[in-house]
Amino acid sequence: EPEVTQTPSHQVTQMGQEVILRCVPISNHLYFYWYRQILGQKVEFLVSFYNNEISEKSEIFDDQFSVERPDGSNFTLKIRSTKLEDSAMYFCASTKRAFGTMNTEAFFGQGTRLTVV
Amino acid sequence: AQSVSQHNHHVILSEAASLELGCNYSYGGTVNLFWYVQYPGQHLQLLLKYFSGDPLVKGIKGFEAEFIKSKFSFNLRKPSVQWSDTAEYFCAVSPGSSNTGKLIFGQGTTLQVKP
Repeated sequence: EPEVTQTPSHQVTQMGQEVILRCVPISNHLYFYWYRQILGQKVEFLVSFYNNEISEKSEIFDDQFSVERPDGSNFTLKIRSTKLEDSAMYFCASTKRAFGTMNTEAFFGQGTRLTVV
Repeated sequence: AQSVSQHNHHVILSEAASLELGCNYSYGGTVNLFWYVQYPGQHLQLLLKYFSGDPLVKGIKGFEAEFIKSKFSFNLRKPSVQWSDTAEYFCAVSPGSSNTGKLIFGQGTTLQVKP
């Protein structure tokens, strides 16, 4: 069964450092997403990406965050200067069609646990 | 603003007990509804989904959920839980008629099944 893969599974970084979280979505999917879950809190939407551009982003996704699909297979989330409050589990997801379309379901990766110290 | 609320944060059951996890959402239009499960150390997996039609939907592993439009609810049920059902369960909603491209999640319910 095809799956979304994320690397690394756990990343520890110092405050102020840049991190790049990597995701390989399912190959024939066209829509890509990042979510995060701070320990004990809800899974929160960060950003959606389609046709090489951001289609929607949340208030959390400020100028410190960026996304890229550099080579047609990877989908990356970059945090330019990490803060302690960026510590969370980050999930990548992909869908074949837009969420408003009938029968569209998201496939999620196993997550990257980011710890900022 | 759209939101999803899961009533139970932590549920502890014995094997063979029946399960019902509550989920309510706030959104006035057409919605697509989902339940995801996350087993320890694994990724989010889809348990079941509702798009239209029969409001009682059946998913994997004996789970089912009922969409009650008048109550804005989509509760998850299983008649008899097993130890292997120990996991975190998330209810999620996406507007059914837009391309907003996002799921709105509830805060999750941790289910612990004692053998």
